[in-house]
Parts: sequence; structure tokens; C-alpha cells
Amino acid sequence: GENVEQHPSTLSVQEGDSAVIKCTYSDSASNYFPWYKQELGKRPQLIIDIRSNVGEKKDQRIAVTLNKTAKHFSLHITETQPEDSAVYFCAATFSGGYQKVTFGIGTKLQVIP
Amino acid sequence: DTEVTQTPKHLVMGMTNKKSLKCEQHMGHRAMYWYKQKAKKPPELMFVYSYEKLSINESVPSRFSPECPNSSLLNLHLHALQPEDSALYLCASSRGSFHMNTEAFFGQGTRLTVV
Repeated sequence: GENVEQHPSTLSVQEGDSAVIKCTYSDSASNYFPWYKQELGKRPQLIIDIRSNVGEKKDQRIAVTLNKTAKHFSLHITETQPEDSAVYFCAATFSGGYQKVTFGIGTKLQVIP
Repeated sequence: DTEVTQTPKHLVMGMTNKKSLKCEQHMGHRAMYWYKQKAKKPPELMFVYSYEKLSINESVPSRFSPECPNSSLLNLHLHALQPEDSALYLCASSRGSFHMNTEAFFGQGTRLTVV
């Protein structure tokens, strides 16, 4: 089965700095890589995703890069703000009608004002 | 409507009780999921229903019994649970297309405490 490793497990940055979270996956058949943000006591919410036919995707302050050869993908948050503080999960899945999503262990991001 | 609605939000039950968790979506999604999330851990997949049929059971104990009455509803029946089953139970849905990767939408979850 798929195995997703994520690091770091915790990350503290000053407001305005950038944050980078890295993940690796094991199953070369995985072709969809979502990133979820989960605030304390709330549901995981998709913030960005990337499909295996794309190397990079950007949405305002958030970007994700994918290296299929190396089987790793990364989340980049620029100009961090206190409201970015949350737990971020990377995930990998092969989607063939439904998703058997494997989550990384999560990164607790703290943005210090 | 991009909501996945779960009820109840909180549930406390004894080890001899029988209870059910409910999940509803009206996005026309044909794949629905149950996840279990312990504190400070990622969600763990329990069950996947695809087109109202159980497609994946991740070796979940039989005291958890899923049911998909129709394409909009997903239930999780609970019986004779243990204290270690206390967790946040998340329902999710996705389009279930065979041709595209589509995002999963999560409900707010049911926080279950077994006493």
C-alpha cells in the first residue's frame, strides 16, 4: 500500500516569512496529491491539490511542487499570516472512481506575530 | 451546496449502547468515506462506499457497521464500543468519477466519547 512521509512535524515561522512542508510517497501509481489544512477542532479543508501531469501549481500565497521521479511533493506558503497557523496534511492517492487517500502525519505550523 | 453534514456533533455513549452516526451530502457525489481521527494524528480511512456499494473495509472491527441507504446518505452503526474507540469520526465525499481525480469534502465530524 501507499506510505506517505511528511516533515517537519512542527514548524514555527515569523509572520511574513515563508514556510515549506515536504512529503514523499512510495506508490508510483499515485496520481493525485491534495493538501489539507485543519484548524483545531475543525474539519480538514482542501487548500490546494496537484495532479501527476503537472509539476507546479500556485494559488495566491500557496504553491505546491511535484517531482514524480523522486516521488516527492512540497507545500510552500509565502508571506505567512497568523491565520495560517494550523495542522497541514499532505496526502497521496490513486483515484479510480474513489480515493483511498493516505495522509502524512501532519505538520503543525505556528506563525508568530 | 458544497456541504457534508454530520450528526450528531458530539456523542457520549456507554460500552453497551448502540448508536448511529449520520452523514449527508447533496453534491451528487458517488463516493463516500468514513475516517477516524485521534488527537494529533492524521485521519485514518475506515470504509469507502462507491456507488452505494462497500468498496473498502480497512480491517475495521465488526463493532463498527457502515450502511449506505442511498447515494446521499451514509451511516455508521456503533455497538459495544471500547474506550479506545473515542475519536473524531469524519465523513467525506467525492465525485467518484472514473476519469478524474477529484477532491474529497469533509464533514465537521462527530466527536465520540465512549465511557
